[in-house]
Amino acid sequence: AQSVAQPEDQVNVAEGNPLTVKCTYSVSGNPYLFWYVQYPNRGLQFLLKYITGDNLVKGSYGFEAEFNKSQTSFHLKKPSALVSDSALYFCAVRDIGGSNYQLIWGAGTKLIIKP
Amino acid sequence: DVKVTQSSRYLVKRTGEKVFLECVQDMDHENMFWYRQDPGLGLRLIYFSYDVKMKEKGDIPEGYSVSREKKERFSLILESASTNQTSMYLCASSPNGGDTDTQYFGPGTRLTVL
Repeated sequence: AQSVAQPEDQVNVAEGNPLTVKCTYSVSGNPYLFWYVQYPNRGLQFLLKYITGDNLVKGSYGFEAEFNKSQTSFHLKKPSALVSDSALYFCAVRDIGGSNYQLIWGAGTKLIIKP
Repeated sequence: DVKVTQSSRYLVKRTGEKVFLECVQDMDHENMFWYRQDPGLGLRLIYFSYDVKMKEKGDIPEGYSVSREKKERFSLILESASTNQTSMYLCASSPNGGDTDTQYFGPGTRLTVL
């Protein structure tokens, strides 16, 4: 069965430090991978996606994510965290070999950036 | 910019009431989705629609129905609301073609069933 795991409910980082939000996945075929962000009292926003090609994907607001096929991971990273990055982050995956195009979502990771 | 709007940000209903949640998108997207978001469970798909009058069940369709009479509008209906349907409801849309997997979300409706 397809699944997405975000092993950390919450990540705390000091402003200016690098941040990583972890995501691992399980699909039967090749994956499409996504990160979305939900700021307080706002809808989910698309951050970035991996479809094919370069394993390092750059997205909005200075975020990037690295696809690692051998570790089945797609961790979200940013070199220097801002307080405004505090939000709820969701990883999602679609199995492109599957019969439908539903996204499978992780449980979400709350990112808290402390001044 | 894609805009997805939902009819209410907050809604309070009583057990047994029929509840309508409306979603409208303005980018001519073929696909529309209804999710519910609960802490620690992420997003769970209730129903989606890939065309007018077409619908498919998601992971948790029980207690819900949907309607898509026009391309831009996708309605979620709780036939008889129950307290376990208290949740945040998110609507999303996506186009066909190359960007089909990028979903655009509305602001959400926080429904409380008393």
